Amino acid sequence: EVQVVETGGRLIQPGGSLRLSCAASGFTVGSTSMTWVRQAPGKGLEWVSIIYTGGNTDYADPVRGRFTISRDNSNNTLSLQMDSLRGEDTAVYYCARVAQFYGSGPTFDYWGQGTLVTVSS
Amino acid sequence: DIQMTQSPSSLSASVRDRVTITCRASQNIGRYLNWYQHKPGKAPRLLIYAASNLQSGVPSRFSGSGSGTDFTLTISSVQPEDFATYYCQESYGGSFTFGQGTKLEIQ
Repeated sequence: EVQVVETGGRLIQPGGSLRLSCAASGFTVGSTSMTWVRQAPGKGLEWVSIIYTGGNTDYADPVRGRFTISRDNSNNTLSLQMDSLRGEDTAVYYCARVAQFYGSGPTFDYWGQGTLVTVSS
Repeated sequence: DIQMTQSPSSLSASVRDRVTITCRASQNIGRYLNWYQHKPGKAPRLLIYAASNLQSGVPSRFSGSGSGTDFTLTISSVQPEDFATYYCQESYGGSFTFGQGTKLEIQ
């Protein structure tokens, strides 16, 4: 069974750093693309970052230069290093597997239940 | 960046109603459009990919259509477990932009 579970969210002060992890089971993170999506309180879904199968990465403009996505193939985990955190980064962060169906662009087919990051003093 | 606009923002329906949600892209995205269902405290769920393809395990009462800039998600007969928020998402431009969401509520 395919499953992803996010951990690492907590209360953190503005300007601080936090590392989120996503443990995968039922598939190999090194063999697929993976992504992070967030949802701020009362808001909709917002894409954050992606790491492609070949290792290329990309980020949404609000987090570029502050967040870093990576994966650990030996532990089958995905990570998101978040630096210089701001109040507007407060959100539930979701990890998702990226599928590539025929005739489709990257599609997020399995998601975790998320981990809450609160940036506040 | 591509902008995605959903309508309506919220929708009240009764069980067994037919419901349609619309999503409009700011530019031509072909059929690079996905639909997700999200319930509070739960993992978002992929319903439809490439505009009209039903994800494995999703009930056939869900269907998607459209291409270019205009897309629709239809639930042919709403069931109690369908009350949730629905999002469209483009997978064309590399920013994976979501619509603002449509909350389907019980009437």
